[in-house]
Amino acid sequence: EAGVTQFPSHSVIEKGQTVTLRCDPISGHDNLYWYRRVMGKEIKFLLHFVKESKQDESGMPNNRFLAERTGGTYSTLKVQPAELEDSGVYFCASSHLGQGGTEAFFGQGTRLTVV
Amino acid sequence: QKEVEQDPGPLSVPEGAIVSLNCTYSNSAFQYFMWYRQYSRKGPELLMYTYSSGNKEDGRFTAQVDKSSKYISLFIRDSQPSDSATYLCAMGLSNFGNEKLTFGTGTRLTIIP
Repeated sequence: EAGVTQFPSHSVIEKGQTVTLRCDPISGHDNLYWYRRVMGKEIKFLLHFVKESKQDESGMPNNRFLAERTGGTYSTLKVQPAELEDSGVYFCASSHLGQGGTEAFFGQGTRLTVV
Repeated sequence: QKEVEQDPGPLSVPEGAIVSLNCTYSNSAFQYFMWYRQYSRKGPELLMYTYSSGNKEDGRFTAQVDKSSKYISLFIRDSQPSDSATYLCAMGLSNFGNEKLTFGTGTRLTIIP
């Protein structure tokens, strides 16, 4: 069984540009979570999808961030326009419905560098 | 004050030693307590999770939760060089509904052969 896959693994963009991160969850996992780790800080929750619906987006930092999960399969996280403070590692995780965050599997992360 | 406090280390111990990692937290509503291992440039990998207070053992790993003290621990017995990684504690309120995890900053552990 394939794990959670994230693309790209690393992205370097200039301030003001747009970047789209993609997450392919484990097949059959209805829960999909986005987290972010800014350098020197702890991993922080961004949002949670159940299938295609946003269950909790309380961690989204501002309206420059847009997450979608069309069809309830893969998800994208778009940052537009990117700012320097958006640099960090973005993790995606997925789990079966009812297993919540306790049995979520994480992807390898996308390292975003905004210069 | 952070909801979850974790000593970032680094922590270096000789191979074969017992390792003790811990976290404290302030939110008494946390019900689920997880330990993740993260190797460099990889995603967090779930090691163990515990619901509410108590102990849980899995091979060389033992997780303890003391809700009265708001303190959780992970013990690694007979530590191996392959255990060298960053260990993250994480906590959650619910497994259905409010499912976001709150992480500690992680402790970097090195096992010296």
